[in-house]
Amino acid sequence: SAVISQKPSRDICQRGTSLTIQCQVDSQVTMMFWYRQQPGQSLTLIATANQGSEATYESGFVIDKFPISRPNLTFSTLTVSNMSPEDSSIYLCSVAPRGGMYSEQYFGPGTRLTVT
Amino acid sequence: AQTVTQSQPEMSVQEAETVTLSCTYDTSESDYYLFWYKQPPSRQMILVIRQEAYKQQNATENRFSVNFQKAAKSFSLKISDSQLGDAAMYFCAYRPTSGTYKYIFGTGTRLKVLA
Repeated sequence: SAVISQKPSRDICQRGTSLTIQCQVDSQVTMMFWYRQQPGQSLTLIATANQGSEATYESGFVIDKFPISRPNLTFSTLTVSNMSPEDSSIYLCSVAPRGGMYSEQYFGPGTRLTVT
Repeated sequence: AQTVTQSQPEMSVQEAETVTLSCTYDTSESDYYLFWYKQPPSRQMILVIRQEAYKQQNATENRFSVNFQKAAKSFSLKISDSQLGDAAMYFCAYRPTSGTYKYIFGTGTRLKVLA
């Protein structure tokens, strides 16, 4: 498994501002993922972030709104830009520690974002 | 397109009893992975159990076991000897073995454990 931390754990932001969420893993991992979980809902994949390449975004998510950095094999950031109340959600990062050919993902504790 | 359906938004079980959570999925793939994840109120998602589609034997992890029916595309989770700490949201998830590493999650089942 992998131990994953996220910062901040929660934040309240004003509309129009941006927030950067950090995800730190205790071991080197190839694949990292960013998810959004709206209150009481399931998880929706935002993008896949592999070190050394551009993030791959899912339908409905764009780089200008959710820029992602992946500077090394243990760290990634997700920025939520020009926020609106609709961005209020829990944002989770996850990793596939054994690489893409293996199956399981492990999740961070999440960042609860409220936009006012 | 692949889909995962959890038809039980909420379930309750008495402490020490057994409960089964249902999950069905739709795919045209022959090989894939299925998972059950637990999300307690603290919201850290925890992998409960994993099943590879090519394995006929149902996966078991201590008090947790699955009933995997490939032809019926059904993947239920049985929790035996339920404990108060089992109270959580449970998500069923699907992932193909090739092409994309993207998980498809169900909508979740909230499990309440009654003392």
